Amino acid sequence: NAGVTQTPKFQVLKTGQSMTLQCAQDMNHEYMSWYRQDPGMGLRLIHYSVGAGITDQGEVPNGYNVSRSTTEDFPLRLLSAAPSQTSVYFCASSYSANEKLFFGSGTQLSVL
Amino acid sequence: AQSVSQHNHHVILSEAASLELGCNYSYGGTVNLFWYVQYPGQHLQLLLKYFSGDPLVKGIKGFEAEFIKSKFSFNLRKPSVQWSDTAEYFCAVNARGGNQFYFGTGTSLTVIP
Repeated sequence: NAGVTQTPKFQVLKTGQSMTLQCAQDMNHEYMSWYRQDPGMGLRLIHYSVGAGITDQGEVPNGYNVSRSTTEDFPLRLLSAAPSQTSVYFCASSYSANEKLFFGSGTQLSVL
Repeated sequence: AQSVSQHNHHVILSEAASLELGCNYSYGGTVNLFWYVQYPGQHLQLLLKYFSGDPLVKGIKGFEAEFIKSKFSFNLRKPSVQWSDTAEYFCAVNARGGNQFYFGTGTSLTVIP
């Protein structure tokens, strides 16, 4: 059982570039979410989804886009990367929004 | 919006010392409470959770936490830490029926052998 798989593990972008962080889970979880982890800030919710076709914004959604066309996949798109988006990104999933989260291994993103 | 405060940012203990990490949240309604741990080089994983019932909950690896509703607190404890407990610890809360988790800023624990 792979759990939650995030790719890539590391990425360097130039300001203005766009990219997609991939997240896939094989546990048939309805709830999926994206967080960013910054020093001294903890984990902050970017976007979440309670099922295929349903997404909503979290605390820090600006500059990010998501979609959920299947139960398994929840990609995070950076539309025009900015240095302020340098962070470690985590994808997490669970059976529902009130259950424990299963986390991916993270993506370390640097925007120059 | 909800918020979670973790008062200790970096804690250094010797092996066998007792541990207590503070966590307070701000939300007037019913909440679910969690402690997650991130060991070096590993995924975040659940230590323990409180949904309802006995306010003293036990988790993995000898950790426990006590929910005190009147203080909006959910402090994590372990009577005797080990070197392998070196990790970052995050408190998290979500409103019962809500869709968003709120995490604290984390506490980095270093245990000296």
